Amino acid sequence: EIVLTQSPATLSLSPGERATLSCRASQSVSSYLAWYQQKPGQAPRLLIYDASNRATGIPARFSGSGSGTDFTLTISSLEPEDFAVYYCQQRSNWPPKYTFGQGTKLEIK
Amino acid sequence: EVQLVQSGAEVKKPGESLKISCKGSGYSFTSYWIGWVRQMPGKGLEWMGIIYPGDSDTRYSPSFQGQVTISADKSISTAYLQWSSLKASDTAMYYCARRLGATKYYFDYWGQGTLVTVSS
Repeated sequence: EIVLTQSPATLSLSPGERATLSCRASQSVSSYLAWYQQKPGQAPRLLIYDASNRATGIPARFSGSGSGTDFTLTISSLEPEDFAVYYCQQRSNWPPKYTFGQGTKLEIK
Repeated sequence: EVQLVQSGAEVKKPGESLKISCKGSGYSFTSYWIGWVRQMPGKGLEWMGIIYPGDSDTRYSPSFQGQVTISADKSISTAYLQWSSLKASDTAMYYCARRLGATKYYFDYWGQGTLVTVSS
């Protein structure tokens, strides 16, 4: 079973700074990885899929990179609305399962 | 506009049954898988299972197999998640979400969530 480990658990930054979030898979997932943003009281929102493709309507300041076991979500210049919890997600073929990382909380410094 | 609209919050007692719903609109409901995701209070996201409304093909996470039942009624574009006997540990927010595509195993549209509280 593939496990996704996100780091750091909490990231404290100021608006305008660059944010770098990490997701590591316990075995290779090729490029089959997504990133979601969840704000308090809201459903998750798909940001990035297939490691580096932005979902519809997602601003260009969000970018994803990586393949195999190591992936990164980068927010180039933080806006006030970007402070939220971020999850990575992959789907394994066997057992067929969709797995989320434990999340990284991006908080205002 | 693609929308998934879930049924309202529920308060139940342990041992009671429950069925919550997720109604899709703005797209071909029978052509996209619908997944269910649990979020316990203050915790992360857990995938429970997924259904293809076109033929009701259903897959469950091993963690939830036998604990819940996922179904769909394509005539009314609605997916369901049900419990036959709730436990206090089922207290959580439950989201339905549409899978992005046939070969894209990610969730692009989400319902607003249904809060289920189980307490005696």
